[in-house]
Amino acid sequence: EIVLTQSPGILSLSPGERATLSCRASQSLRSSYLAWYQQKPGQAPRLLIYGGSSRATGIPDRFSGSGSGTDFTLTVSRLEPDDFALYYCQYYGTPPLTFGPGTKVDIK
Amino acid sequence: EVQLLESGGGLVQPGGSLRLSCAASGLTFSNDIMSWVRQAPGKGLERVSGITGNSGSTYYADSVKGRFTISRDNSKNTLYLQMNSLGVDDTAIYYCAKGGQAAPLDYWGQGTLVTVSS
Repeated sequence: EIVLTQSPGILSLSPGERATLSCRASQSLRSSYLAWYQQKPGQAPRLLIYGGSSRATGIPDRFSGSGSGTDFTLTVSRLEPDDFALYYCQYYGTPPLTFGPGTKVDIK
Repeated sequence: EVQLLESGGGLVQPGGSLRLSCAASGLTFSNDIMSWVRQAPGKGLERVSGITGNSGSTYYADSVKGRFTISRDNSKNTLYLQMNSLGVDDTAIYYCAKGGQAAPLDYWGQGTLVTVSS
């Protein structure tokens, strides 16, 4: 089973700042089956990034994903008020399809 | 527009059963792998089950294996999760989502709350 670790657990930033979130896998991910989701309180998760670096439909270009192998990064270039939320990475290759524990981005 | 609408959640006693449904629209349902993902109160996400478009392959997390059964009716564009022998640890919001193995979870329902309590 692939275990995903996310860091930091909490990221306190101000609007307009750059957010860099890390996701590390316990073994190399085949074909970069790595996705990022955003979740706000009381809402379902929303797909942001798939394949490690491809933006999902309707996702603004301030969100970008990078990485390969075991180390992946989600970057939000300039935080907007709507971006303060919980972010999860997920491996979606061979089952079990696991999620990381999440990084909370909150307002400083 | 893709829409996924879950129903069937509620309060159930330990040892009881529930059947969740997820009505899908705006997609070619029979082509799509579908998943159930749950989130316990204040906790993270866990994919508990998945099923291929033709129901030929299913997946269960170890935490639910032998107790939960996933199925689908492509003629009704509906996904199901039969949950038996429920325990307090099964208390969670249950989301249905399009996607699974080799496919990101690109559409999610709003979730249905299952509470297991005496």
